[in-house]
Amino acid sequence: AQSVTQLDSQVPVFEEAPVELRCNYSSSVSVYLFWYVQYPNQGLQLLLKYLSGSTLVKGINGFEAEFNKSQTSFHLRKPSVHISDTAEYFCAVTGFSSGGSNYKLTFGKGTLLTVNP
Amino acid sequence: KAGVTQTPRYLIKTRGQQVTLSCSPISGHRSVSWYQQTPGQGLQFLFEYFSETQRNKGNFPGRFSGRQFSNSRSEMNVSTLELGDSALYLCASSTGTTYNEQFFGPGTRLTVL
Repeated sequence: AQSVTQLDSQVPVFEEAPVELRCNYSSSVSVYLFWYVQYPNQGLQLLLKYLSGSTLVKGINGFEAEFNKSQTSFHLRKPSVHISDTAEYFCAVTGFSSGGSNYKLTFGKGTLLTVNP
Repeated sequence: KAGVTQTPRYLIKTRGQQVTLSCSPISGHRSVSWYQQTPGQGLQFLFEYFSETQRNKGNFPGRFSGRQFSNSRSEMNVSTLELGDSALYLCASSTGTTYNEQFFGPGTRLTVL
């Protein structure tokens, strides 16, 4: 089984400031990791994913995340945010083993990022 | 490619009724998953279908059921609606292969009165 903890439910920042949204996971098997963004009254959009290889992954809209296996973390960062980045961000994990994926995403509770002028 | 579509987008029902939600996946995707999103519980996995077979199931009562057709379109049914079933129901499609990258639709907002 997997679980995801997003340590901050709300993160307010000023425009052009850097931001980090924290995500920790636990799993008894290997995992793939994802960050999704949800704008009001919309579905989820994939920002980035870690499948294997380089632990630093880059996504859309200038976001990046770093996979740290020893700390079981996958924090999301952006060096300079814009008003349009205001949204809810979800970290998600899916587990896999030699038998394949468990074919479900387990989500954190979400972090509401509010970018103020 | 067209994205994942869900119909209807909004739905109002009363307690005790049943409801059917529809999801059309991205062309070529054979896996469809359903999630319930509420303010209190967040995003919770309902079930996943692949090639017309339920492959994985979350911890929801039997009132929640689904199916998938040969064209990969999926429907979700909730019977005997309760107030607590009010939620955004999200459908996601995937190729169904190992890393399970899922693409989400806009959701169906269900309100139970």
